[in-house]
Amino acid sequence: GQSLEQPSEVTAVEGAIVQINCTYQTSGFYGLSWYQQHDGGAPTFLSYNALDGLEETGRFSSFLSRSDSYGYLLLQELQMKDSASYFCAVSFSGGYNKLIFGAGTRLAVHP
Amino acid sequence: DGGITQSPKYLFRKEGQNVTLSCEQNLNHDAMYWYRQDPGQGLRLIYYSQIVNDFQKGDIAEGYSVSREKKESFPLTVTSAQKNPTAFYLCASTPSELGGEQFFGPGTRLTVL
Repeated sequence: GQSLEQPSEVTAVEGAIVQINCTYQTSGFYGLSWYQQHDGGAPTFLSYNALDGLEETGRFSSFLSRSDSYGYLLLQELQMKDSASYFCAVSFSGGYNKLIFGAGTRLAVHP
Repeated sequence: DGGITQSPKYLFRKEGQNVTLSCEQNLNHDAMYWYRQDPGQGLRLIYYSQIVNDFQKGDIAEGYSVSREKKESFPLTVTSAQKNPTAFYLCASTPSELGGEQFFGPGTRLTVL
């Protein structure tokens, strides 16, 4: 089966940098995605890693280490609007493009 | 504008009643998915469809049913057999290539009284 672990809550201040970790166990791992969800809203795609290394998209970066079954989402120059839940999700071969989501990390950004 | 629509945003039903949630996409995506989200939890897959007239059960399919008669539409019926139907339901779609971004609709919050 597939399982993912990520911290339940993270707190940071405006302008800071925060890292949200995700470890996974899955057979036929294909890639790791990150989604952001504000309260009451729909998840929105942030990033996708299929290969080892760092992917940067503006203030957000995502990292993957396939050998360690580990990834993280790095948020820089935090803003109040970044307060949301962040989910990692794995896709796997033979999974027909299904995603298995982690339970989510709730990020609270304070002034 | 291309996107996914779900209706209604809020839905109230009495216990024992079946209810159908709508999901329509005009992104020309082959694959569509239904997820359930409970407060403070992640998304759990109910059903998914890779192609018209074909669909598969996800991890929590019991008490739910779907149809895929058109590429654009993937309605979900929550039946009276679903023991705890109150939840936030999200529909998503994606192009067929593996690892592609999933696009989500705004969701339907179902409350069973």
